[in-house]
Amino acid sequence: GAGVSQSPRYKVAKRGQDVALRCDPISGHVSLFWYQQALGQGPEFLTYFQNEAQLDKSGLPSDRFFAERPEGSVSTLKIQRTQQEDSAVYLCASSSERGNEQFFGPGTRLTVL
Amino acid sequence: KQEVTQIPAALSVPEGENLVLNCSFTDSAIYNLQWFRQDPGKGLTSLLLIQSSQREQTSGRLNASLDKSSGRSTLYIAASQPGDSATYLCAVNTDKLIFGTGTRLQVFP
Repeated sequence: GAGVSQSPRYKVAKRGQDVALRCDPISGHVSLFWYQQALGQGPEFLTYFQNEAQLDKSGLPSDRFFAERPEGSVSTLKIQRTQQEDSAVYLCASSSERGNEQFFGPGTRLTVL
Repeated sequence: KQEVTQIPAALSVPEGENLVLNCSFTDSAIYNLQWFRQDPGKGLTSLLLIQSSQREQTSGRLNASLDKSSGRSTLYIAASQPGDSATYLCAVNTDKLIFGTGTRLQVFP
């Protein structure tokens, strides 16, 4: 079956623009995670969904970041009024259930000018 | 707060050497530990997953061990090849993954 997919793969935004990043998890995976990876760093946790419920959003860096998964499948990470410090690779991962192995998508590289 | 540390930060070796990459973590309350490979500009490829009840896992030339009580994991790469050149990340699973900053490996012919 297909793995985790993300779109777009690359996004360039002007400072102040809103962006939306999409994640399609592996079919049937109930857990979905978003991570942010700055250049030269390991990924850092942003938020976690169990089906459509957002159980942990402690890693979201500001209230400009918002994530949703309304039907428990596809998820969207939205960043409002982008800033240069938001430039990073945004990774999505899914797992069959809580605590199981996580499978990663290719990421979306966001560059804010 | 869980913290994950990887040493060395970078490693450059000639082809054929056996390598040990180290990962340490501060809280033993984990579900499992994963080792990933990341090529420049690419996503994460899962190499090995060790459940918290396990001591080691093997895949081909890779062997990973886990000592949960001491908060340590090692990734052993046998007979390294230039194609092994990449960044290697370890991550502990506490529901979310907590990553180290990685070991950047270069294997030269």
